Amino acid sequence: AQSVAQPEDQVNVAEGNPLTVKCTYSVSGNPYLFWYVQYPNRGLQFLLKYITGDNLVKGSYGFEAEFNKSQTSFHLKKPSALVSDSALYFCAVRDIEAGNNRKLIWGLGTSLAVNP
Amino acid sequence: DTAVSQTPKYLVTQMGNDKSIKCEQNLGHDTMYWYKQDSKKFLKIMFSYNNKELIINETVPNRFSPKSPDKAHLNLHINSLELGDSAVYFCASSRVPLSYEQYFGPGTRLTVT
Repeated sequence: AQSVAQPEDQVNVAEGNPLTVKCTYSVSGNPYLFWYVQYPNRGLQFLLKYITGDNLVKGSYGFEAEFNKSQTSFHLKKPSALVSDSALYFCAVRDIEAGNNRKLIWGLGTSLAVNP
Repeated sequence: DTAVSQTPKYLVTQMGNDKSIKCEQNLGHDTMYWYKQDSKKFLKIMFSYNNKELIINETVPNRFSPKSPDKAHLNLHINSLELGDSAVYFCASSRVPLSYEQYFGPGTRLTVT
């Protein structure tokens, strides 16, 4: 069965330190992977995606993610965290079994808290 | 200009009532979605329309009925509201042919009392 896992409910990091939010996936075929961010009382915002090509993907707000096929991971990273990065982060993967219906399988979210 | 907009932003109503939430996107996208986000922030796809055709219809009570009058609009009507329907409902849209990026509206917080 296809799935996405975000093993950490919460990540705490000090401002200025590097941050990592973890995501692992299980799909058949080539994965299309996504990261979204949800600020309090807001809708989700697209951060970045991996479809093909370079394993290191750069996105909005200085975030990047590394696709690792052997470890079936797509961890979100940022070299220096800001307090304003505090939010809920969702990893998602294309549901291949849904065909062309462009359905995503969503992780449960990881709450990132950046402490000043 | 707001890309994906929803109305109302907040909706407080009593059990048994019928209510509607409206969504509009001005991105020129052809696919629109309804999601439900519960109190634990879990995100669940409910429906999706592509060019006014229903393409995703998840296991959702039939009290929920989506309607897409055109590809820029997707509405959600809920009959006989129950306490468990309280959640934040998000509309989203995406574009053909291979883009899976979804653009979300600000959400409608529904509270059923």
